[in-house]
Amino acid sequence: DQQVKQNSPSLSVQEGRISILNCDYTNSMFDYFLWYKKYPAEGPTFLISISSIKDKNEDGRFTVFLNKSAKHLSLHIVPSQPGDSAVYFCAASDGPGNQFYFGTGTSLTVIP
Amino acid sequence: DTEVTQTPKHLVMGMTNKKSLKCEQHMGHRAMYWYKQKAKKPPELMFVYSYEKLSINESVPSRFSPECPNSSLLNLHLHALQPEDSALYLCASSQEGQYQPQHFGDGTRLSIL
Repeated sequence: DQQVKQNSPSLSVQEGRISILNCDYTNSMFDYFLWYKKYPAEGPTFLISISSIKDKNEDGRFTVFLNKSAKHLSLHIVPSQPGDSAVYFCAASDGPGNQFYFGTGTSLTVIP
Repeated sequence: DTEVTQTPKHLVMGMTNKKSLKCEQHMGHRAMYWYKQKAKKPPELMFVYSYEKLSINESVPSRFSPECPNSSLLNLHLHALQPEDSALYLCASSQEGQYQPQHFGDGTRLSIL
C-alpha cells in the first residue's frame, strides 16, 4: 500500500510563475520529509528536506511546507525556470534506520 | 556530478548469466542502499547496509545478493534473473543517524533477455 502519494502525475507552469507540487502521506509516524529532483538518465538529486518539528523550510527559490494535521507537504518553486523541468519525488522516513518511502513523482514542465 | 558512482550504466544479460553492479562513494557515508525502480514507479528499497553490515533486507529474492566489501563500496551480485527484474537499479548513501538525506547515483539500467 502506497504510504506516500503524489496525486498529480504532471504539472505545467509558465516561466517566472510559482510551481506548487503536492504530496500526501498516511503514516503519522513519518517525521522527516525530503524532495528529490530527477532528470532523465540521472539518479534523484536531493533538493530540500524538513523535519516534523518545523512547518516550513526555505532554500533559495525552493520552500517546503509541512502540514502535519493534514499529513500533507508541498514544494514551492518561485520563480520557476525552464531548468526546473524534471520529475519531482517526495519521500518520507519514520525515524532512525533511515528507510524512506517515495511517492510516484510529479513531472514538472516549465514553459519559457 | 553525482558523488555516488554506479557502474555499469547499462547492462543486458541473459537469465543464466552472473553479473555484478557496483557502487562507490567517497563522502564518508556509513549507510548505503540499493533501490529498484520500474518505469513510472517510485524507487523501492531492496537492501540497507549500516557500517558495512546488512541491516535491512526487504524480502528480496536470493537471486540478488548484496555485498559491502568496505565503507566506500557496495555491490549487487546478480544470478539467474527473470525478465521482470529488468529495471533501473539505484544506489544511495547517507550519513548515519536521523534526518540525513540519501544521495543517489545515476543508476544501472538492467535488461534481462
